This record gives sequence, C-alpha cells and structure tokens, in this order.
Amino acid sequence: QKEVEQNSGPLSVPEGAIASLNCTYSDRGSQSFFWYRQYSGKSPELIMFIYSNGDKEDGRFTAQLNKASQYVSLLIRDSQPSDSATYLCALMDSSYKLIFGSGTRLLVRP
Amino acid sequence: DGGITQSPKYLFRKEGQNVTLSCEQNLNHDAMYWYRQDPGQGLRLIYYSQIVNDFQKGDIAEGYSVSREKKESFPLTVTSAQKNPTAFYLCASLKLGTGELFFGEGSRLTVL
Repeated sequence: QKEVEQNSGPLSVPEGAIASLNCTYSDRGSQSFFWYRQYSGKSPELIMFIYSNGDKEDGRFTAQLNKASQYVSLLIRDSQPSDSATYLCALMDSSYKLIFGSGTRLLVRP
Repeated sequence: DGGITQSPKYLFRKEGQNVTLSCEQNLNHDAMYWYRQDPGQGLRLIYYSQIVNDFQKGDIAEGYSVSREKKESFPLTVTSAQKNPTAFYLCASLKLGTGELFFGEGSRLTVL
C-alpha cells in the first residue's frame, strides 16, 4: 500500500467554485502535513502545512487534518484559472522523512 | 536574497558517466532532501539529511550518492549504476520544528 494516496484527477471545477482536494495516508506516526502546488515543468511551491487536527486557513486556502481517519484535505475557495496546476500532498514522520503523494491535477474552467 | 540554488538547471550526460548536481541553501535550514520526478509522476525520495555528516536513504537510493559536509550544501551524485537517470531532480530544505520547507528550481538531467 502506498504511504500517501491522492486521486490523480483531473478535477475540473468552474471559476469561482470551491475545489476540494483529498489525501489519505497509512502511517499513523506522521507528524506534519504539507500541500504544494506545482505548475508543469516547475518546482513545487508551498501552499501551507498543518500538524494539528482541525482546520487551518490562509487566504483562499483551508487545510483540514483528521488524524483519526488519516486524511488531510485542501479547499480552494473562489477558484481561479491560475489555480490550474497539480497539487501535491506530503507527510513527514518523526525522523523528518518527507514523502509525497503522486498529486491531483486541478483544472479551473473560465 | 535567501533561497535554495540548484545547478546546473540542464545537464546532458553520456551513458556510463557520473554526474554531480549541486544544491546550496542560505536559509540556515537544518534538513535537506533530494527527490526525483519523472514525467507525469509524483516526487520520489532519494536521500535526506537532518544534520551535517549524517544522511539517510530514501525510497530510491540505489545508483545515487550524497554528502553533507556543510550545513549549506547537499550535493547529489548520479552514478553509472543508476540505470534510468533521465529525470527532473529537486532539492529541498527544511527548518526543523517549522513548516518552512522550500524547493530549489530543479535540475533536468538527460542521458544521451
């Protein structure tokens, strides 16, 4: 079983809608969780990280972590065409090993 | 400006040659990472290091080697033992205890 699972997509949403991206993981020892955005041919850009159960908001982005159910999600409000990219979920364990999912491709239709 | 610098951005290599990719950071970050990304795929961990003079294998370490002689530097050598080295290589650094985990711009290696 892969350590970090993401639906590859593409997830297609209309401009202005909420995009919901999900990630599940198998290692209960995971400490911190990260969301990155990656445009084609570019390096990943950090959106936000979360390590406590619950929600964390930063502008149009909200990360949600549920350690009991072993999932972390990213909500993007008021989606824009410029948000079209691949979104990568990553988790870090207690030894600082950082593992990525394979990413979800998001398409925001104008 | 603080950041992570990878070089070279593009590199061509003949089969059987070793090549070293540079990764330097001036963010005073503690941990550093190397990943490989193939087209349409996610990031796979090659090696990582939390402190100077120590590093751990990731999931695909075979055919690669690293060193961490200085906090700022974490070079990756792609050896001739790596059978399919053509890929996009990404270096990242992390300040321990924070969420500051940033990537360099990447190095694209092509084996001719």
